[in-house]
Amino acid sequence: GAVVSQHPSWVICKSGTSVKIECRSLDFQATTMFWYRQFPKQSLMLMATSNEGSKATYEQGVEKDKFLINHASLTLSTLTVTSAHPEDSSFYICSARDYTSNTGELFFGEGSRLTVL
Amino acid sequence: LAKTTQPISMDSYEGQEVNITCSHNNIATNDYITWYQQFPSQGPRFIIQGYKTKVTNEVASLFIPADRKSSTLSLPRVSLSDTAVYYCLVGDSSNTGKLIFGQGTTLQVKP
Repeated sequence: GAVVSQHPSWVICKSGTSVKIECRSLDFQATTMFWYRQFPKQSLMLMATSNEGSKATYEQGVEKDKFLINHASLTLSTLTVTSAHPEDSSFYICSARDYTSNTGELFFGEGSRLTVL
Repeated sequence: LAKTTQPISMDSYEGQEVNITCSHNNIATNDYITWYQQFPSQGPRFIIQGYKTKVTNEVASLFIPADRKSSTLSLPRVSLSDTAVYYCLVGDSSNTGKLIFGQGTTLQVKP
C-alpha cells in the first residue's frame, strides 16, 4: 500500500527555536495532506489541511503564524513550529490520500515527537 | 462533519471475538466509514472501510446497517498484539475530504 513518511521521527529543541517536520508521500502524489497533533492519552486533533501550490487551511484555534505549512510539491509538505515553547511538545502526525485510489484511503505517517525544553 | 461516538474502553481475552460499535447519526450521503488502529507513538493504521452492508478483509469485518447511523468493527480471535486504540471515522473520500478523529476505543486484550 501507499506509504507516507515523516522526518524526523523525534526531535528535542530549546525553547524559542523553530523546528521543521517533513511529510512525504513515497509512492504516490498528494495534492492534499493533513497535519494532526496528539497529546498523551488523547485523540488526534486536526490542525490544518495542506494544499499543494496554495495556502494551507487551518482549523479553528490553530495559529497559522505559529505553525507554518508549506506544500511545495506533490510529494512533500512541511510543518514548521516557530518559536517553540514547552506547551508545543506533542506528537505530530501527517496524512495524505492517494487520490488515484478508488477507496480514497487516508495514509498516515509514523509521527514526529517534538519535545521542547 | 459527522461526529462519532464510541465506547471509551473495552476489555477482552485472547481468542475472543471483539465487536466495537460506533454511532454516527449525522452521516452524510457521500461519507464512508473508516476504522483505524493506533499503537502508542505510532501513526494510525488503516483497518477497513465501508459504505453500507458488510465488508470483510483479512483482519476484520465491518457491519453497517441500512440506515448507516452506526457501524460495528468485528475483530475475530484477538491476540495480545491487538491491544490498541481503535478509531471510527466518517467522511467523504474525496481528495480534500478531511477526517476528524473522535475519542476512540482503547481495547485491552488480556491473556
